[in-house]
Amino acid sequence: QVQLQESGPGLVKPSQTLSLTCTVSGGSISSGGYYWSWIRQHPGKGLEWIGYIYYSGSTYYNPSLKSRVTISVDTSKNQFSLKLSSVTAADTAVYYCARTYSDHLMYYFDYWGQGTLVTVSS
Amino acid sequence: QSVLTQPPSVSAAPGQKVTISCSGSSSNIGNNYVSWYQQLPGTAPKLLIYENNKRPSGIPDRFSGSKSGTSATLGITGLQTGDEADYYCGTWDSSPRYVFGTGTKVTVL
Repeated sequence: QVQLQESGPGLVKPSQTLSLTCTVSGGSISSGGYYWSWIRQHPGKGLEWIGYIYYSGSTYYNPSLKSRVTISVDTSKNQFSLKLSSVTAADTAVYYCARTYSDHLMYYFDYWGQGTLVTVSS
Repeated sequence: QSVLTQPPSVSAAPGQKVTISCSGSSSNIGNNYVSWYQQLPGTAPKLLIYENNKRPSGIPDRFSGSKSGTSATLGITGLQTGDEADYYCGTWDSSPRYVFGTGTKVTVL
């Protein structure tokens, strides 16, 4: 059973960089076949896809966040990470990592982490 | 602002059926498969339906999905109190990005 666990600071100051890591267990990121996504949910709101990465390092980002987002992968630790720069209060959200199936015309998230709340405040 | 529109809420008595619509366009639903997610209060979303109408292992057949043109529908039969949750549709959009629906709260009366 694949499990994902987010970790990182729960409080980030405005203008700083938000950094989160997702640790995957029960399966290897390097085995391929899946992408690895970050998704966020503003308090009381809907879901927003941030971007995903393949084990090879290939990435794809939501155009609305692309200028501030970097997703990276560390296959030796079976982890992938999110960096979001120049944060504001609008980036306060629960951040989820998720395993992503991506194929021609088909995309879905079959395993999710429990989520971690990141608050942007001074 | 999501490009996939869902009703804010639906409700029904235990044992009854509810349907949740997800309206999009040719830029998203019209040309891609749809998936559905259930988010119980205080928990992470969970995959309910993928490829329009397929259920992952462990998802009861009370949950069903369909797609027609630029809209998709999630059906829940034999409604249970444990089904009270937020439900989201999702698909790839040509913007290009993955997009989720606005979400629908299911209430069991």
